[in-house]
Amino acid sequence: NAGVMQNPRHLVRRRGQEARLRCSPMKGHSHVYWYRQLPEEGLKFMVYLQKENIIDESGMPKERFSAEFPKEGPSILRIQQVVRGDSAAYFCASSLDRVKNEQFFGPGTRLTVL
Amino acid sequence: GENVEQHPSTLSVQEGDSAVIKCTYSDSASNYFPWYKQELGKRPQLIIDIRSNVGEKKDQRIAVTLNKTAKHFSLHITETQPEDSAVYFCAAIFNAGKSTFGDGTTLTVKP
Repeated sequence: NAGVMQNPRHLVRRRGQEARLRCSPMKGHSHVYWYRQLPEEGLKFMVYLQKENIIDESGMPKERFSAEFPKEGPSILRIQQVVRGDSAAYFCASSLDRVKNEQFFGPGTRLTVL
Repeated sequence: GENVEQHPSTLSVQEGDSAVIKCTYSDSASNYFPWYKQELGKRPQLIIDIRSNVGEKKDQRIAVTLNKTAKHFSLHITETQPEDSAVYFCAAIFNAGKSTFGDGTTLTVKP
């Protein structure tokens, strides 16, 4: 049973470009969470999604950031017009359901904005 | 919203000693409290968790206690080993929703 997968593992973008980060949850998991981690800092919640629904996006910046979790395929975190301050590690986690809500993390995508 | 405070931010112990990390939370509705270990450059890994209907849980050298009245929970590691050195994060979660993490504790176990 493969764990949570994220790709790419490393992503370099120039200011103004778009970044697309992908997350495939563990098999059978229908809940996905995205977090941002700056160097030597904690994990900051961004968004919580279930298939085809955004449940809680209170941690998402109001502009440039969006997330989706379609019926088929991975969850996508999209950052438009990236700025240097977007450089961070982005982790996704998945859980089975609301009762079995242990979150298992992917390896992260390290975004560098030049 | 929920606010989680974690102390200490750094902790250094001698191999074989015990380590204790404490977290307090603000939202009494939070009902799930996991602890994660993160090694440098790696993903956070769940090491133990506790739900609000339980006061204590133990797994070998690791234990977690929860005081709902005081709204705090603690991680206890006994007989520490150098491989326990890592950053530890606590979190408070309500019904599988938004997760609020503490700022982390860097644990160093000296051989």
